[in-house]
Amino acid sequence: QKEVEQNSGPLSVPEGAIASLNCTYSDRGSQSFFWYRQYSGKSPELIMFIYSNGDKEDGRFTAQLNKASQYVSLLIRDSQPSDSATYLCAVNRGGGFKTIFGAGTRLFVKA
Amino acid sequence: EPEVTQTPSHQVTQMGQEVILRCVPISNHLYFYWYRQILGQKVEFLVSFYNNEISEKSEIFDDQFSVERPDGSNFTLKIRSTKLEDSAMYFCASSERGNNEQFFGPGTRLTVL
Repeated sequence: QKEVEQNSGPLSVPEGAIASLNCTYSDRGSQSFFWYRQYSGKSPELIMFIYSNGDKEDGRFTAQLNKASQYVSLLIRDSQPSDSATYLCAVNRGGGFKTIFGAGTRLFVKA
Repeated sequence: EPEVTQTPSHQVTQMGQEVILRCVPISNHLYFYWYRQILGQKVEFLVSFYNNEISEKSEIFDDQFSVERPDGSNFTLKIRSTKLEDSAMYFCASSERGNNEQFFGPGTRLTVL
C-alpha cells in the first residue's frame, strides 16, 4: 500500500465549478497534512495545511481531514484556469519530520 | 515576503564528480529539508535537519549524500560521486517547527552526464 495515495487524474472541471481533490494515507500516526500546488517545472507551493479533524477554509480553498478514515481532501471553489496545476498531498508523521508526498492529481480548469 | 533561495538553478556534471547544492532557508526557520523530484515522478523526501544534525533520512540518502550548515545562513547538500540516476530537481525547504508547513525553494536541476 502506498503511503500517500492520490488519484492521478487528470481531473477536468469547467471554470467556476468546484474541484474536489482527495488523498488517503496509511500511517495512523500522521500529524500534519498539507496541500501543495505545483506548476510544470516549478517548485511546490503551499496552499493549505490542516492539523485537526474537520474543515479549514482559506479563501476559495477548503481542506477537510478525517483521521479515522485516514482521508484528507481539498475543495477549490469558483475554479479558475490559473488553478490548472498538479496538486500534491503531503503528510508529516512527526518524530524526525519526514514528509511523504503523494504523486499528485493533475487539475485542468476549462475556460 | 521571506523565501527560500537555492543556487545554482541548473548544474551539469560528469558522472563520478562531486556536486554541492546550496540553499538559504528562511531566516527564522529552524528545520531544513532536502527533497528530490525525478522528471515526471513524485517529490521524494531525502533528509531533515535540525539543531545541526540529521533528524531523519530516507533510504535514498545513502553514504554518497551529506548535508551541512556551514554558517548561520546556508544549508548544503553534497553528492560525493554522482550517478546518472541522480539527475533530478533538488528542492530545499524550511519550516519554523518540525511539524509545521514547509516552504520550498525554486530548486536546482541537476543533470549528470
